[in-house]
Amino acid sequence: AQSVAQPEDQVNVAEGNPLTVKCTYSVSGNPYLFWYVQYPNRGLQFLLKYITGDNLVKGSYGFEAEFNKSQTSFHLKKPSALVSDSALYFCAVRDMPSGGYQKVTFGTGTKLQVIP
Amino acid sequence: GAVVSQHPSWVICKSGTSVKIECRSLDFQATTMFWYRQFPKQSLMLMATSNEGSKATYEQGVEKDKFLINHASLTLSTLTVTSAHPEDSSFYICSARTQGANTGELFFGEGSRLTVL
Repeated sequence: AQSVAQPEDQVNVAEGNPLTVKCTYSVSGNPYLFWYVQYPNRGLQFLLKYITGDNLVKGSYGFEAEFNKSQTSFHLKKPSALVSDSALYFCAVRDMPSGGYQKVTFGTGTKLQVIP
Repeated sequence: GAVVSQHPSWVICKSGTSVKIECRSLDFQATTMFWYRQFPKQSLMLMATSNEGSKATYEQGVEKDKFLINHASLTLSTLTVTSAHPEDSSFYICSARTQGANTGELFFGEGSRLTVL
């Protein structure tokens, strides 16, 4: 069974500082990995994904994530945080079976608070 | 990216009534849509997978007769909460993948906040 762990319920960072939101995963095969952001009372917005290829993935709003196979991690990063980045961030994984139903599993979410 | 529209955004109903939530893919066809439930400060819980033209696949522990799902066309799936009770109050979110896409990102609706009095 696949799983995703986001070890931090909340991350606080000062505006202008770099931010990291952690994610580790467990799958039986090769993973598809995703980051989504959720603002209050809204649906989720896709930020970026890793399928294959370059381990450093660049996404929306200046975010990037690094796939590390040996550490089974996919941490979300941004060089300089903005107050408007404050939101709830979800890491997700989708296994890649040869056929059949492919379920996406979400982490528990990390609340990012950027302090002015 | 693809757009998924969810309606209504907010709904308040009396206990014992039924509520229907619609999920539409606006600029693409979705053979598969997903319904999630999100409790406060918690992650998304997959309730069911909605397949166009066939019965939905429910996750373990989700009552099929309580949460009726219909996927009558390639652009519309509906979730009906039947005989709603206060414990059904939650944030319901639908999502869809573009037809044929195997790269996997989901496109989400804006969510529907259900409050049962």
